[in-house]
Amino acid sequence: GQNIDQPTEMTATEGAIVQINCTYQTSGFNGLFWYQQHAGEAPTFLSYNVLDGLEEKGRFSSFLSRSKGYSYLLLKELQMKDSASYLCAAMDSNYQLIWGAGTKLIIKP
Amino acid sequence: GAVVSQHPSRVICKSGTSVKIECRSLDFQATTMFWYRQFPKQSLMLMATSNEGSKATYEQGVEKDKFLINHASLTLSTLTVTSAHPEDSSFYICSARGLEPSLEGEQFFGPGTRLTVL
Repeated sequence: GQNIDQPTEMTATEGAIVQINCTYQTSGFNGLFWYQQHAGEAPTFLSYNVLDGLEEKGRFSSFLSRSKGYSYLLLKELQMKDSASYLCAAMDSNYQLIWGAGTKLIIKP
Repeated sequence: GAVVSQHPSRVICKSGTSVKIECRSLDFQATTMFWYRQFPKQSLMLMATSNEGSKATYEQGVEKDKFLINHASLTLSTLTVTSAHPEDSSFYICSARGLEPSLEGEQFFGPGTRLTVL
């Protein structure tokens, strides 16, 4: 079956670094997406990886290892506004997104 | 960037009534639109996928006669919740995929519609 696993909740301190992991199993693979979702709002796109390696975009970076079915989202210099849920989604061979349950990130001062 | 709007943003209705939610791609043509439902503290659940001019494909467990989807043009899809009941109260989100996505398969999300059925 198809499955996405990510931690339910993480806590970090303002100014620190946090890594949110995601493992996936899909029928075929056409890339891995990370979305940010604040409470009561729709998800917003953060990153897309389809090749192995690290993609850096400002304070956020995303890593993919296709052989391990593993990705992580790295957030640096954490700000209070980064408190949100982070959704990992893998695209299968039919270009359907398979969603993880999301990781709620709590930032403390 | 690609913008998707949804209307209304919030709706409260009585049990047994029908509610229509519109999803529009404002600056691009969306060949495919997706409808999701999200209950509190849960992830997105795909309800159906609609392609312009053809019938929607519903996910297992989603009643197509209850959740009517119409994708009449390349910029508009509608979801009608018929005979709504309190258990249909949820956050409904649409997303759209363009003819020439900037990223393969990338979906652009609307802001969501909060439905409360009394």
